[in-house]
Amino acid sequence: DQQVKQNSPSLSVQEGRISILNCDYTNSMFDYFLWYKKYPAEGPTFLISISSIKDKNEDGRFTVFLNKSAKHLSLHIVPSQPGDSAVYFCAASEEPGNTPLVFGKGTRLSVIA
Amino acid sequence: GAVVSQHPSWVICKSGTSVKIECRSLDFQATTMFWYRQFPKQSLMLMATSNEGSKATYEQGVEKDKFLINHASLTLSTLTVTSAHPEDSSFYICSARDSRSGTNYGYTFGSGTRLTVV
Repeated sequence: DQQVKQNSPSLSVQEGRISILNCDYTNSMFDYFLWYKKYPAEGPTFLISISSIKDKNEDGRFTVFLNKSAKHLSLHIVPSQPGDSAVYFCAASEEPGNTPLVFGKGTRLSVIA
Repeated sequence: GAVVSQHPSWVICKSGTSVKIECRSLDFQATTMFWYRQFPKQSLMLMATSNEGSKATYEQGVEKDKFLINHASLTLSTLTVTSAHPEDSSFYICSARDSRSGTNYGYTFGSGTRLTVV
């Protein structure tokens, strides 16, 4: 039973354009959402987060949107750069205390120069 | 910021031997640490929650006798893969939560350990 879903295994975007990565979740108890960037054989690198009391959070080129009623969030990267090419994971938590993060399967982003 | 050190970063072992992976929180105390496993091109799957001074909580389908977790102090958790087999070859990642929080809600990850069993 996959609680966090990233239905697009891969995405290709031209440099300078917008990258939109999507994530859906099924557990209505999730209130905290994070996006990570990951390279093979490395730990995940935190990018941006959002809690359920917000619907948008922005940090530089990265913006995360949350639609709690639809149980959907998305990560926008604009403008996309070749260095953004990596696997992006969406993760969710009920409460950042002793509860672990639950990860989606990831989306491989390729930014083409 | 918070740092989690994971060691070794890679290890090759023979079938039937045991391998220990260490996860240390360097500048904060962590009563709880999490162990994940990632197969190639797959998600990070939670294996267990490690609790300082008590038994770990394992996810369904994870053999607790095979994957021994010890959280003996507030800064160290270890994962021992016992009697390793080739199917145990994977990438193992630990995570600890820094209660000082931050925009990442305190979740901090180690750099991972690539285990290859031959």
